[in-house]
Amino acid sequence: DVKVTQSSRYLVKRTGEKVFLECVQDMDHENMFWYRQDPGLGLRLIYFSYDVKMKEKGDIPEGYSVSREKKERFSLILESASTNQTSMYLCASSLSGEKLFFGSGTQLSVL
Amino acid sequence: KNEVEQSPQNLTAQEGEFITINCSYSVGISALHWLQQHPGGGIVSLFMLSSGKKKHGRLIATINIQEKHSSLHITASHPRDSAVYICAVRRGNQFYFGTGTSLTVIP
Repeated sequence: DVKVTQSSRYLVKRTGEKVFLECVQDMDHENMFWYRQDPGLGLRLIYFSYDVKMKEKGDIPEGYSVSREKKERFSLILESASTNQTSMYLCASSLSGEKLFFGSGTQLSVL
Repeated sequence: KNEVEQSPQNLTAQEGEFITINCSYSVGISALHWLQQHPGGGIVSLFMLSSGKKKHGRLIATINIQEKHSSLHITASHPRDSAVYICAVRRGNQFYFGTGTSLTVIP
């Protein structure tokens, strides 16, 4: 089975800190995604990547950046964390035209 | 307006009941996915559909491409089916999600 691993299950950071969320998949998927999930809003796309060093903005990229230096790893960076970035962050990967595989999520709290 | 609409938002059922969750979408799609998320858990993919019907155990998913509508049915529901069910549509390499249906099955 495909495994998508997110580095932290829970994270607490202070306002203004730089935050790194790491995601690794083990099935050579070309597509990787970062979503945030908030109550009543569903999953919203922050960024996605369809190849190494390639990235596309999603619906809510403001305040975030990403890095994909290797095919298996897709990192989400909060340059200066703010309280409105408190959320559940979910990483996912897929082959083109195939189903999504999700990590277990990182619940980030920004104080 | 969200491109993917689900109904109902919340659903409570007695164990053994037949359950239907609906999903409507407004754009052309490559495929439709049904996902399941247990409390505190990650999201798993249940079905990927581009036409017709698929069945896995007690779960059945159908799609009507002309009407832009899909349904997820659960037969003989069980408390372990309690979860959030999310409809997602794929256009190209991107996915668009409904806000989910929270299902609680009472013993």
